[in-house]
Amino acid sequence: KQEVTQIPAALSVPEGENLVLNCSFTDSAIYNLQWFRQDPGKGLTSLLLIQSSQREQTSGRLNASLDKSSGRSTLYIAASQPGDSATYLCAGKRSGTYKYIFGTGTRLKVLA
Amino acid sequence: KAGVTQTPRYLIKTRGQQVTLSCSPISGHRSVSWYQQTPGQGLQFLFEYFSETQRNKGNFPGRFSGRQFSNSRSEMNVSTLELGDSALYLCASTLDRGNYGYTFGSGTRLTVV
Repeated sequence: KQEVTQIPAALSVPEGENLVLNCSFTDSAIYNLQWFRQDPGKGLTSLLLIQSSQREQTSGRLNASLDKSSGRSTLYIAASQPGDSATYLCAGKRSGTYKYIFGTGTRLKVLA
Repeated sequence: KAGVTQTPRYLIKTRGQQVTLSCSPISGHRSVSWYQQTPGQGLQFLFEYFSETQRNKGNFPGRFSGRQFSNSRSEMNVSTLELGDSALYLCASTLDRGNYGYTFGSGTRLTVV
């Protein structure tokens, strides 16, 4: 059974810090990987999608990478801001399957 | 371009009742997936529909069912509600099974009392 671990579970940092969130899959045969953020009580907002032929994606201050050989992904957030405070979730999909498997999330708080 | 629309946003039901939740995907998206989110279990996959057919189902009891219409809108139904069904129910749409990501709706918050 595919399991997804996100480390750390919670993180509190001062504004301006660069930080790295980690995600690892027990089954490394990940086809697609997507990072989301979720604000309390809200739905999920897609941040970055790494498709099967890609190894990383960048959007603004965010960079995500995927090492398929190890089944690990990292989300890098540069120059963090209080508005980045949210829960960050990674989700992976295996080839030939129709569903994403989600990690348990990293709860981030950026202090002003 | 309209996003994924879920209705209603909030529901309060009594144990034993049934409930129907609705999800309208992004125009052109033919795949709709449903997830249950609780503090203890995180995001758990319920089922996925494509062209009115259920292609995959998670490990939930038969009280949870769904369907998809010809316009790709989807509904999920929970019968004989239990207290443990209280959760945020999220639907996500995507173009197809392939190299595409999910777009989620804002969710329906169901509270069973």
